[in-house]
Amino acid sequence: TQLLEQSPQFLSIQEGENLTVYCNSSSVFSSLQWYRQEPGEGPVLLVTVVTGGEVKKLKRLTFQFGDARKDSSLHITAAQTGDTGLYLCARKTGNQFYFGTGTSLTVIP
Amino acid sequence: ETGVTQTPRHLVMGMTNKKSLKCEQHLGHNAMYWYKQSAKKPLELMFVYSLEERVENNSVPSRFSPECPNSSHLFLHLHTLQPEDSALYLCASSQDLAVYGYTFGSGTRLTVV
Repeated sequence: TQLLEQSPQFLSIQEGENLTVYCNSSSVFSSLQWYRQEPGEGPVLLVTVVTGGEVKKLKRLTFQFGDARKDSSLHITAAQTGDTGLYLCARKTGNQFYFGTGTSLTVIP
Repeated sequence: ETGVTQTPRHLVMGMTNKKSLKCEQHLGHNAMYWYKQSAKKPLELMFVYSLEERVENNSVPSRFSPECPNSSHLFLHLHTLQPEDSALYLCASSQDLAVYGYTFGSGTRLTVV
């Protein structure tokens, strides 16, 4: 199966708090991407992770790829209202990317 | 204009209408895609074009008909749609079949009445 499970489905936090969202699969990824989709817009690529155990940082966002390459997490430090959006993970299989259902994040001022 | 541009942004059509969605990319990419995004479902890949040739067609109903006249333009022709086809239709482009990820347009919000 190409199913990607993302959790939580919805998350609402206060500005300044930290949060982590997860992307899991029962099978190994060759690579995984994280996207953010703001309301009324298309998804925007944030990062690609390829190597098991890899950690990448993008300002306040930290992306981790599990050692077994079956899971990934996105940690946001000191969330801001501009972080509000739908966070999608996508795994590459062949010529296609399969997307998860996403985590909808709302950061309250 | 830069990036991937989709028109129209919103479309309401009756089940007997014929309409077309347009996508244009200004990135010099050689692959283009149509995705469907419905509430509470993962993005569904509909069609993939590489170098203007269709390379993937994921069991999409024939009421959706893609056209890729050149590497910068992609169309999705719609006819006799059903209400369940209402969704956000996203166009994306990439270099070399998404090795490095997609650049998406802002989408067309389609409502079938």
